[in-house]
Amino acid sequence: QKEVEQNSGPLSVPEGAIASLNCTYSDRGSQSFFWYRQYSGKSPELIMFIYSNGDKEDGRFTAQLNKASQYVSLLIRDSQPSDSATYLCAVYLNDYKLSFGAGTTVTVRA
Amino acid sequence: DAEITQSPRHKITETGRQVTLACHQTWNHNNMFWYRQDLGHGLRLIHYSYGVQDTNKGEVSDGYSVSRSNTEDLPLTLESAASSQTSVYFCASSEASGAYEQFFGPGTRLTVL
Repeated sequence: QKEVEQNSGPLSVPEGAIASLNCTYSDRGSQSFFWYRQYSGKSPELIMFIYSNGDKEDGRFTAQLNKASQYVSLLIRDSQPSDSATYLCAVYLNDYKLSFGAGTTVTVRA
Repeated sequence: DAEITQSPRHKITETGRQVTLACHQTWNHNNMFWYRQDLGHGLRLIHYSYGVQDTNKGEVSDGYSVSRSNTEDLPLTLESAASSQTSVYFCASSEASGAYEQFFGPGTRLTVL
């Protein structure tokens, strides 16, 4: 079983809709979780991190964490064409190492 | 502004040649990482370092080596390039304490013919 799994996508949503991205992880002891956005041909950039169960909101982005279910999600509200990218879920392993999922590609249709 | 740079940005080489990819960061971060990114696999850790003279193997280290002689640089060497090493390579760095966020360089696209 892979350490971090994401819904494979691609995900296509109309402009203004909510995009929902899911991620599950295998290590029940994991404490820190990150969402990176990667535009085509570019490097990953951090958009959200979450450490505690529940929701964390930052602008149009909401990260949700459920440690009991080993599940973390990212919601993008009022999706814009500029949100079209690949979103990588990352889980802190130990010793400053992160484990990344394969990514979910989101396309926002104008 | 602090940043991470990688060079070259694009490289084409032949099977069997030695190739070195450069990574330079001005964040003054102790932790540095090398990843490769392939379709369907996401980012996979090749090697990492927690400071000068420290290097460690990641999950896909075979055929790669690194050395850390100063805080700013972590060059990645492919000893004898293979076609299976055709990939996009990213360097990243993070602080030695506190948040675990990693900052990424722009990447190097390597093609081995």
